[in-house]
Amino acid sequence: EADIYQTPRYLVIGTGKKITLECSQTMGHDKMYWYQQDPGMELHLIHYSYGVNSTEKGDLSSESTVSRIRTEHFPLTLESARPSHTSQYLCASGTGGQETQYFGPGTRLLVL
Amino acid sequence: AQSVSQHNHHVILSEAASLELGCNYSYGGTVNLFWYVQYPGQHLQLLLKYFSGDPLVKGIKGFEAEFIKSKFSFNLRKPSVQWSDTAEYFCAVNALYGNNRLAFGKGNQVVVIP
Repeated sequence: EADIYQTPRYLVIGTGKKITLECSQTMGHDKMYWYQQDPGMELHLIHYSYGVNSTEKGDLSSESTVSRIRTEHFPLTLESARPSHTSQYLCASGTGGQETQYFGPGTRLLVL
Repeated sequence: AQSVSQHNHHVILSEAASLELGCNYSYGGTVNLFWYVQYPGQHLQLLLKYFSGDPLVKGIKGFEAEFIKSKFSFNLRKPSVQWSDTAEYFCAVNALYGNNRLAFGKGNQVVVIP
């Protein structure tokens, strides 16, 4: 069973607030990912990291930022939340190469 | 970049019926192929995967998928579904020598009626 955790699971917040979505994994995986998913749509990669101090933007442009100071931790931050950021955010990790990605439970964000 | 197509987003069927979900991708090179499943209220989890070898892959809970290279397809099948198979199913493709990132389809929402 994959051990990857996300908090909070649900977040309702007002426009303009700064938020951080937490993601942690206990599997020692080098690679971590953030996806954004809207209902009925595919998962879109917004950020990824191949190791500590490595972060890259994904295929979908996002106003969020990420950091990777520790292997197990990959938080995502929105400096000023807007209603257009309302979505589900999924964190995943993997070992690289012919990898399987393991997903967290997701954070459902609603910005009013 | 590779793209993944899944058709028939909503599928409703009765218990014991057979299920087949189509997945086509648009990358000409070597790929890794995955089906992920998300049961209501649960994590997205791996159902099965294909890296190489036998193109017919067996997964958990009686699911299987067949890789047909000439058709760029990786269709998922189950001969007899159960109510507990109600879930959303996502096909994903990873180009082995490309950017090495997963591309997902839009998913199939499957509802099995008891």
